[in-house]
Amino acid sequence: DGGITQSPKYLFRKEGQNVTLSCEQNLNHDAMYWYRQDPGQGLRLIYYSQIVNDFQKGDIAEGYSVSREKKESFPLTVTSAQKNPTAFYLCASRPGHYNLIGELFFGEGSRLTVL
Amino acid sequence: GQQVMQIPQYQHVQEGEDFTTYCNSSTTLSNIQWYKQRPGGHPVFLIQLVKSGEVKKQKRLTFQFGEAKKNSSLHITATQTTDVGTYFCAVHGSGNTGKLIFGQGTTLQVKP
Repeated sequence: DGGITQSPKYLFRKEGQNVTLSCEQNLNHDAMYWYRQDPGQGLRLIYYSQIVNDFQKGDIAEGYSVSREKKESFPLTVTSAQKNPTAFYLCASRPGHYNLIGELFFGEGSRLTVL
Repeated sequence: GQQVMQIPQYQHVQEGEDFTTYCNSSTTLSNIQWYKQRPGGHPVFLIQLVKSGEVKKQKRLTFQFGEAKKNSSLHITATQTTDVGTYFCAVHGSGNTGKLIFGQGTTLQVKP
């Protein structure tokens, strides 16, 4: 079945460690997104990519890094520079790029807890 | 940057009552999308509105886009316990960059 797969679903990390969250899609979508969700809050955009080998910072990119070497993959690294990384991370994709039409398809999310 | 305000943040209703959430922008929007996130789940697309004054219905859900394309609403008639969740609006950032920004969401609780 086509869809977006995020892994791991749950992750625990010690302070000072980098961690990489995986996001893979087989929907042949051009655009991919990473959002962060904190309890009782909305979705805040971390990074987004419209095409392979190109990505842009969202509203809260500090302490995060991404790569887009393949169309189907958009991994997110939470670095030790991110001061409050405990959150629910959602990856999404949508068809087309640089266009204003088309809904987001979300993965099931990765819940990161820093101990 | 582009911002969208969504109100109310929380709403508790008795089953059978109506519910409305609003999204407001200070700038004219190209379109607006609505999503629903069930507790413990991920957001799922509901609908996209593009035209000024557009009204779309999905069973008990009515979506409206303002005439000036600066606001939108989602109205649920006769809520059911299955309507529980958080409803988000999402808009495109300024410029044709593909950036999608979400409102803060309205969390709906329905008492049976």
